[in-house]
Amino acid sequence: DIVMTQSPYSLAVSLGETATINCKSSQSLLYNSNNLNYLAWYQQKPGQPPKLIIYRASTRESGVPDRFSGSGSGADFTLTISSLQTEDVAIYYCQQYYSTPHTFGQGTKLEI
Amino acid sequence: QVQLQESGPGLVKPSETLSLTCSVSGGSVRSYYWSWIRQPPGKGLEWIGSIYYIGMTDYNPSLKSRVTMSVDTSRNQISLILTSVTAADTAVYYCARVVGAAHPLDYWGQGTLVTVSP
Repeated sequence: DIVMTQSPYSLAVSLGETATINCKSSQSLLYNSNNLNYLAWYQQKPGQPPKLIIYRASTRESGVPDRFSGSGSGADFTLTISSLQTEDVAIYYCQQYYSTPHTFGQGTKLEI
Repeated sequence: QVQLQESGPGLVKPSETLSLTCSVSGGSVRSYYWSWIRQPPGKGLEWIGSIYYIGMTDYNPSLKSRVTMSVDTSRNQISLILTSVTAADTAVYYCARVVGAAHPLDYWGQGTLVTVSP
């Protein structure tokens, strides 16, 4: 199984500032034939299901504010949330869908 | 807008079988993959497995011996069966849609809590 490791476990960021969450995979998620990274980011607010916000490492899902951006390739990825808003308080998970089982990181709790 | 709704017993006794249904509205189960994911209370997400609408399955090896997924295209539903449950199977169970074999989970149900307890 591919192991996904997120850091930090939790972080507190001031309103209007930038939050950075990291995700490392135990093997590359880059599919060489199409140069795509099979890495997604999800946002989960209390009492709600996860919501897809980024896929292919850097593509924003439709309707997701451009404050959210994803970067990285291979085995190292970053989710950046700029101009932090109160509604961004959530747990963020990365997930690889390069190979099954499709594993998740342990989650990063973002607070204001 | 596609909507998914999980349903099933909220309480299952140890050693018995957990059976859940995911009803899809606003779209068809055809042409998509469907996944089940679970989340123990206060913990992270675990991918249980996925099924293509024609019945091809892919299960997490950690659960493979106990899991069965199926699709009913006439009812527009996906089902999950997990046998020989223990307290470690207590979790919120989610169903989710996957556009293709190498795609993320784009639509999720609200989830249903299943507690395993005598």
